[in-house]
Amino acid sequence: DAGVTQSPTHLIKTRGQHVTLRCSPISGHKSVSWYQQVLGQGPQFIFQYYEKEERGRGNFPDRFSARQFPNYSSELNVNALLLGDSALYLCASSLGQSGETQYFGPGTRLLVL
Amino acid sequence: GENVEQHPSTLSVQEGDSAVIKCTYSDSASNYFPWYKQELGKRPQLIIDIRSNVGEKKDQRIAVTLNKTAKHFSLHITETQPEDSAVYFCAASGRSGGYNKLIFGAGTRLAVHP
Repeated sequence: DAGVTQSPTHLIKTRGQHVTLRCSPISGHKSVSWYQQVLGQGPQFIFQYYEKEERGRGNFPDRFSARQFPNYSSELNVNALLLGDSALYLCASSLGQSGETQYFGPGTRLLVL
Repeated sequence: GENVEQHPSTLSVQEGDSAVIKCTYSDSASNYFPWYKQELGKRPQLIIDIRSNVGEKKDQRIAVTLNKTAKHFSLHITETQPEDSAVYFCAASGRSGGYNKLIFGAGTRLAVHP
């Protein structure tokens, strides 16, 4: 059962550094969405990519960027890390662009010191 | 702005009892309402979802109801078991714009005691 995969599982960075998180969607799924989950809260939408194009963006600063590759995998980049960026970063895979069921990966837990 | 409120934040029940979690949403354009279960250190797992053209959906011990007029939806778990203990999140699809944004509630921590 090839579900959504993410790497790395855990990451420790210091303030000011940048980080790249990776996601591979379920085979056949063309859409990847990224969410940030701060401890004790629900996930917050960061981006959606579909067919390699940005389709939606949440209320996050320009330090956050992403892209999707021809094989539909995706990267989330965060520059100039702040302590408040410490969170679980979740990738969700869906078949199509809109109104689709989203399946989450295991997440990358980022700690910024 | 878009918002989903979820109540209660914590819920403690005895094994075999029922549990009900309620959510309200602000965007009348929302048309898709999933529920996710998240165990400690694990990914959110979809347990049931409902679309706006349906008022109720049931899957074994789990049911979801939707009242579009009141912008309320609820999760009902019957005959609870200790393995139902987890954090449950409701979500609503964001403003239509051709994309897959979900707005999540803050979560309900459910504890089922044997």
